[in-house]
Amino acid sequence: GESVGLHLPTLSVQEGDNSIINCAYSNSASDYFIWYKQESGKGPQFIIDIRSNMDKRQGQRVTVLLNKTVKHLSLQIAATQPGDSAVYFCAERGGNEKLTFGTGTRLTIIP
Amino acid sequence: EAGVAQSPRYKIIEKRQSVAFWCNPISGHATLYWYQQILGQGPKLLIQFQNNGVVDDSQLPKDRFSAERLKGVDSTLKIQPAKLEDSAVYLCASSFMLNKNIQYFGAGTRLSVL
Repeated sequence: GESVGLHLPTLSVQEGDNSIINCAYSNSASDYFIWYKQESGKGPQFIIDIRSNMDKRQGQRVTVLLNKTVKHLSLQIAATQPGDSAVYFCAERGGNEKLTFGTGTRLTIIP
Repeated sequence: EAGVAQSPRYKIIEKRQSVAFWCNPISGHATLYWYQQILGQGPKLLIQFQNNGVVDDSQLPKDRFSAERLKGVDSTLKIQPAKLEDSAVYLCASSFMLNKNIQYFGAGTRLSVL
């Protein structure tokens, strides 16, 4: 993904509502995708992953959807909680086996 | 299980000075990565080790950056001399196997170059 410098996309969601964070990836040869959560002052934390032969994968309160036709990835968080406030990054593993991170999205939970 | 340890947490230096960062990966993890994260951006891979060998350092500015993992466990990343644009968070990550497992990140070292 492309960097937008200091102007991170932001998403504000009411506590208890569902959140959907979107990500466009660039490499049609990417075979593996990961979502990471990064809280202030911490390193990225693994949330969920999905391989390119899947369309959907569910975890605890999170679901990742993959649309290879339009090279789009989304992360759905159910019943968002204050602790979900963070920057969320998608990452893709391309043909060169390297993990490339996209532009993050800052999720803010409104009490 | 202990996570990835990094030190120091913060470092402030003047341009043209040198600095070193240290990383201790999760026990048993053969693969170690160094990333640079500039404010407001996603992490960018600098170098990747498998045990004590370099797998990929194509994005490492080799005129000023160096990294080593001599015994296949701990690693150090050095910048000499530092430039203003090196101000960033330097993240270390490790995974059990090369590119086949989830990468686990440390808290990072925040570097400010004045």
